[in-house]
Amino acid sequence: EAGVAQSPRYKIIEKRQSVAFWCNPISGHATLYWYQQILGQGPKLLIQFQNNGVVDDSQLPKDRFSAERLKGVDSTLKIQPAKLEDSAVYLCASSLEGAAEAFFGQGTRLTVV
Amino acid sequence: GDSVTQMEGPVTLSEEAFLTINCTYTATGYPSLFWYVQYPGEGLQLLLKATKADDKGSNKGFEATYRKETTSFHLEKGSVQVSDSAVYFCALREDSSYKLIFGSGTRLLVRP
Repeated sequence: EAGVAQSPRYKIIEKRQSVAFWCNPISGHATLYWYQQILGQGPKLLIQFQNNGVVDDSQLPKDRFSAERLKGVDSTLKIQPAKLEDSAVYLCASSLEGAAEAFFGQGTRLTVV
Repeated sequence: GDSVTQMEGPVTLSEEAFLTINCTYTATGYPSLFWYVQYPGEGLQLLLKATKADDKGSNKGFEATYRKETTSFHLEKGSVQVSDSAVYFCALREDSSYKLIFGSGTRLLVRP
């Protein structure tokens, strides 16, 4: 079974530029999560989708971050414009509806300079 | 809202020592509880889980028991190895929304 795919693996951008991350969850997984993991900290939930609807985006900085999940499958997370403090690893995870565990992708390491 | 608190690290142990990493949670419902592990340079992997009170999750010699009365899910291993060096995250998944919340992580260093 293929795992959660994320791209790119690494990205370096200058502050005020925009960037987008892509996630392809495990086939059939209805729930998709985006997390931000700053170095030395635990993952912080940014947004949670159930199929193509948003369940929770309470910690998403909506003035600069946006996310979509078209057709309830792939998802993109965008930052525009980026700030230095956005430097982090962005993790995507997915799970079956009603299942306990979530499966994580390798993440995208973003460096804003 | 729901939250997870785990002991700060790093935890440094000698090989074959006993490991305990404490984790407590706050939740309004009946969450599922998890330990995830992040080895150097790798992504998050599920280590073990427990879905209801008194369940014991176990994997690779690690164990954790879901204690509702103390709202805890402490991770234990009887004899650690150098290869167990990693960052360990305690997490809960809300039973209604499936929101998955993590603790801040505990780094374990095992010396030969």
